Formats: sequence, structure tokens, C-alpha cells
Amino acid sequence: KQEVTQIPAALSVPEGENLVLNCSFTDSAIYNLQWFRQDPGKGLTSLLLIQSSQREQTSGRLNASLDKSSGRSTLYIAASQPGDSATYLCAVRKGSQGNLIFGKGTKLSVKP
Amino acid sequence: NAGVTQTPKFRILKIGQSMTLQCTQDMNHNYMYWYRQDPGMGLKLIYYSVGAGITDKGEVPNGYNVSRSTTEDFPLRLELAAPSQTSVYFCASSYSGAGGYSDTQYFGPGTRLTVL
Repeated sequence: KQEVTQIPAALSVPEGENLVLNCSFTDSAIYNLQWFRQDPGKGLTSLLLIQSSQREQTSGRLNASLDKSSGRSTLYIAASQPGDSATYLCAVRKGSQGNLIFGKGTKLSVKP
Repeated sequence: NAGVTQTPKFRILKIGQSMTLQCTQDMNHNYMYWYRQDPGMGLKLIYYSVGAGITDKGEVPNGYNVSRSTTEDFPLRLELAAPSQTSVYFCASSYSGAGGYSDTQYFGPGTRLTVL
């Protein structure tokens, strides 16, 4: 059974710091992996999607990497800002029609 | 585009009551999903649909029913509400087709349900 773990559960950093969020999964046979952002009381916003054949994806200050063989993904946020404060969720899909399996998320707080 | 809309935003039910959570998308997406999110946990898939008239169970379907009579709407029905169904419910949609496959799921703002 696929399990997704995110470490740390919470992270507090000063503004301007570069940071890394970690996601690990137990079954390396994934179709793709997505990173989402969730603001308090809101739905999820997709940030980056990495297909199983890809190693990384970039969007602005965000860079996500994927190492399928080791069952790991990282989300790198450069020059963090208070507006980046949110919960970040990682999710993997097993097949093209498979469910998304979510981690519990990392709650990020960026202090001015 | 309004994207994915959900109603109501909040609801309190008594044990044994029933209700329908509404979900509508205006992006002409063929795939739609219902998730629940318990406090401090990730999302779990309840039901999903790959098109009008086609639905299938997800990870946690017990106590719920769905229907998909149109492309736009995907209501979730709770029968005989139980305290274990207290959660935040999210609807999502995505597009998959011959013209291009997009796995990006677009989420609604959620419905916060409490069963007492």
C-alpha cells in the first residue's frame, strides 16, 4: 500500500531564507507526483506536477525534484516571503487512472 | 470562469440526518472527485467520476453516494450522518482527453461539515 510521508510537519523560517520541504513515498512505481499549496480555510492549489519520466519542474521561485528510485521528492522555495506561509501537500498517483495519495502536509510559516 | 464551486460552506448535522453537498465546475472537465480531509491529515478520495453517467469508488466510500448526470455537476450524498463523517469535504476536477492530458486537479473551497 502506497504511503506518503512529509517531513517536517511544521517549519518556521525568517523571510528571505531558502528552504526545502521533503516528501517520501513507499512504492516507487508512480505515474506522477504533485505539490499543492493549501491556505487556511481554502481549497488546494496545484503548484507543480512532475511526471514519472521527469527529474524536476520549476515555476518561478519553486523547484520540485523527483527521485523515483529512492522514493523521494523535494520542493525548494527560494527567497521565501511571508506570502509563502501555507500548508504544502505532496501527492502521488500510481497509474493514469489511479487515486492521488496525499501526505499530511508541511505547515510553513515565513516570519517578516 | 468561476472554476469549482461548492455549497454549502458550512453545515451542522445531527446524527442520522442526510444531506447533499453540491459541486459544480464550469471548465468542461470530464474528471471530477470528492475528497475528505480530517484535521492534521492529508486528503482521502471518496468517489470519482470520469464522465457523465460514470462513477467509481475511491479509498473511503462507505456512508456516501454520488451521481453524475451532467458534465458540470457532481453531488455527494450523505445518508444517515455519523460523527465519523465530521470533516472538510473538497470537490475537484481535471481534464483528460485525446487533445491533451492534464492531470492538474482544480479544487473547490471546501465544505466544513460537523455531525453532532
